[in-house]
Amino acid sequence: GENVEQHPSTLSVQEGDSAVIKCTYSDSASNYFPWYKQELGKGPQLIIDIRSNVGEKKDQRIAVTLNKTAKHFSLHITETQPEDSAVYFCAASKGSGGGADGLTFGKGTHLIIQP
Amino acid sequence: EPEVTQTPSHQVTQMGQEVILRCVPISNHLYFYWYRQILGQKVEFLVSFYNNEISEKSEIFDDQFSVERPDGSNFTLKIRSTKLEDSAMYFCASARDSISNTGELFFGEGSRLTVL
Repeated sequence: GENVEQHPSTLSVQEGDSAVIKCTYSDSASNYFPWYKQELGKGPQLIIDIRSNVGEKKDQRIAVTLNKTAKHFSLHITETQPEDSAVYFCAASKGSGGGADGLTFGKGTHLIIQP
Repeated sequence: EPEVTQTPSHQVTQMGQEVILRCVPISNHLYFYWYRQILGQKVEFLVSFYNNEISEKSEIFDDQFSVERPDGSNFTLKIRSTKLEDSAMYFCASARDSISNTGELFFGEGSRLTVL
């Protein structure tokens, strides 16, 4: 089955700096790569996703890049703010359709924004 | 904004007891999922449900687990005979379209299950 590796497990950056979190996946059939933000005591919340037909997607301060050849994808957060502090999970799915599209998650990155 | 709601928020049970976790997905969604997260670990897929049947299930989802959509709004996860290792946060999620197409997955806030 699919295996998703995520690094680093903890990332501390100064407010205003950029943060980059990287993930690799094993199944070349995977075609959907979302990123989730999880705040303490809450469920994961989708922040951005990318599908395999594009290499990059941006939404304000957040961007995701995908390299299908190397089977890795990254989350980039620019101009970090205190409210960006949370655990971030990457995930992958090969989406067979009809609901057979369970996500395989990485282990998470605890992002700490230092004031 | 529509959201996925889950009850109870926390349930404590004795080993061997049956537990039912309940979820109300977003009203116009068609795809439903259960995930779990053991404390401090990653979120793990359990099962997906579409068109009134299971679409996919993981190795975790063994015979002790079952899901049901008893009416037009609820989606439940039943654990028949709980084990200590079932202690985790269980997340329900739903999507309007298959995430392999254009769907996005929306998670509830979770039900924490503690098995003693």
